[in-house]
Amino acid sequence: DSGVTQTPKHLITATGQRVTLRCSPRSGDLSVYWYQQSLDQGLQFLIQYYNGEERAKGNILERFSAQQFPDLHSELNLSSLELGDSALYFCASSPHTGASYEQYFGPGTRLTVT
Amino acid sequence: GENVEQHPSTLSVQEGDSAVIKCTYSDSASNYFPWYKQELGKRPQLIIDIRSNVGEKKDQRIAVTLNKTAKHFSLHITETQPEDSAVYFCAAGGGGADGLTFGKGTHLIIQP
Repeated sequence: DSGVTQTPKHLITATGQRVTLRCSPRSGDLSVYWYQQSLDQGLQFLIQYYNGEERAKGNILERFSAQQFPDLHSELNLSSLELGDSALYFCASSPHTGASYEQYFGPGTRLTVT
Repeated sequence: GENVEQHPSTLSVQEGDSAVIKCTYSDSASNYFPWYKQELGKRPQLIIDIRSNVGEKKDQRIAVTLNKTAKHFSLHITETQPEDSAVYFCAAGGGGADGLTFGKGTHLIIQP
């Protein structure tokens, strides 16, 4: 158990819908990273927040957005969902900002878009 | 941006033998190289990492080596056991991108 929690575990929704994925980092960690894992694209970095502020963006679509709240939990919002958005979404937490430090992954949310 | 290549995509070894997985990276500014183990349907689990100021790091049966000049790093698992069967990912970080850039993964199969 990494200490990072994610909800829900599974999510099934229809094309065009909007969903919110939630992540709570390990106690004391200020950074939250979001990753998407799919069979064709592998593990891809989406976005990072540090202590409530957006710090870095990766391959995140404009239909996706995220935020980090004062209690440091983070939410990833996915809208206008397409079949190709079906994937495992992981968050990872780290005590520091910048990708030169250990990142600990949560259990993931499996999103299925039908 | 950073690009990480990982080989082989599948590796089958006899229980007790050693396994080696290799990765190359493109961004010479990358300075952090973690390895993750992912079992089916589970989260990636950090198993070992190395920074660019170190050439080798060992933790019991696993070791990682880094050649900064050639921009490649490798994971070595000795005395493999059935529970080592999983997908292993290498990654690079600390360069231009602020997230980790992952390789495509190696499916390690331990034959009894």
